[in-house]
Amino acid sequence: ETGVTQSPTHLIKTRGQQVTLRCSSQSGHNTVSWYQQALGQGPQFIFQYYREEENGRGNFPPRFSGLQFPNYSSELNVNALELDDSALYLCASSLGSDNEQFFGPGTRLTVL
Amino acid sequence: RKEVEQDPGPFNVPEGATVAFNCTYSNSASQSFFWYRQDCRKEPKLLMSVYSSGNEDGRFTAQLNRASQYISLLIRDSKLSDSATYLCVVAGRGGSYIPTFGRGTSLIVHP
Repeated sequence: ETGVTQSPTHLIKTRGQQVTLRCSSQSGHNTVSWYQQALGQGPQFIFQYYREEENGRGNFPPRFSGLQFPNYSSELNVNALELDDSALYLCASSLGSDNEQFFGPGTRLTVL
Repeated sequence: RKEVEQDPGPFNVPEGATVAFNCTYSNSASQSFFWYRQDCRKEPKLLMSVYSSGNEDGRFTAQLNRASQYISLLIRDSKLSDSATYLCVVAGRGGSYIPTFGRGTSLIVHP
């Protein structure tokens, strides 16, 4: 096990709602990255937080936002949910921004 | 052209076979390269980092070819348990760090 945990494991929401996903990083890691993985695709980078600051962002709209806490855990918030937001959301922790990343088990979000 | 491209497969091989996957990338400034393994409906797990000099871990060998902008993964003596999707990851500096995953290559090892 990587020591990276995510909650909840599954979530069902309806269009227009808001959702918050949580991630606890591996002990000693100061960087958390969030990914969206649709079925049959590779993970798509949403953003990364390094020591509580956003350190890079992929091609996702502003309704995807996040933050990192002093203990390096992190949240991903998605507003105004759309059907296409249905996916597996993965967080990964690392020591620094360009080292090996270790993934949590993911949160499977279904938007109806 | 996609930033990171992989043949989705599936590669269907018998136990004991040797199989190789390639992953091409478009950003010549890329600095970090990794191979991950992902089992069905599970999270990706780090398989190995890819260094300029190449690296080997048991039956797995990874190589980097900067001139042609691709990385490769070689699996020798395939086991049934090697069946999974193999994802390559490319990341670079020069601004923000944005790791890019390929869509993965599916490997099926059969008896």
